[in-house]
Amino acid sequence: NAGVTQTPKFRILKIGQSMTLQCTQDMNHNYMYWYRQDPGMGLKLIYYSVGAGITDKGEVPNGYNVSRSTTEDFPLRLELAAPSQTSVYFCASSPRGLNQPQHFGDGTRLSIL
Amino acid sequence: AQKITQTQPGMFVQEKEAVTLDCTYDTSDPSYGLFWYKQPSSGEMIFLIYQGSYDQQNATEGRYSLNFQKARKSANLVISASQLGDSAMYFCAMREGNNAGNMLTFGGGTRLMVKP
Repeated sequence: NAGVTQTPKFRILKIGQSMTLQCTQDMNHNYMYWYRQDPGMGLKLIYYSVGAGITDKGEVPNGYNVSRSTTEDFPLRLELAAPSQTSVYFCASSPRGLNQPQHFGDGTRLSIL
Repeated sequence: AQKITQTQPGMFVQEKEAVTLDCTYDTSDPSYGLFWYKQPSSGEMIFLIYQGSYDQQNATEGRYSLNFQKARKSANLVISASQLGDSAMYFCAMREGNNAGNMLTFGGGTRLMVKP
């Protein structure tokens, strides 16, 4: 069983380039999330979605966009990449419920040079 | 204000000994849940254990247990009989019940190193 799948695993971008980080889940979870993790730090929420067609900003949304056209997919778009966006990006999903853990993908390591 | 605080950036423990990783939280919501995740050097996030605010007993999962002290707003993770494979970053996280997005707020993490 795949769970949460993120692609690519690694990417190097030049300043000003754009790219889309892909995330798909096969658990039929309504809730999906994008986090970034800077070196030695915890996770910060970028965007989240409570269902297809519904997205909202998290703690650090600037420089990013998301869409949720299906329950399974939640891509994250970086426009005009900046060095400050060098980070590891995690996608996660969960069902509704106070006691439900979030299930994470393996992460995308992104470097902006 | 920080909602989740992990005050130990790094800790060492001798193999086969027990270790406690601290986590304090701040919320005014009477309904909340606390989670611990492990992040090994390979980078994935692994869910370990959950404690609900209304749970009467401390949560346990194998060698992991939670020392939940509600009045002190602490939810410390106890790992018994440490193994070399326990060396990793550990994150405490909280979900508040009035949270429409079902979101988690994470602490800054504690790096645990198990010595042979």
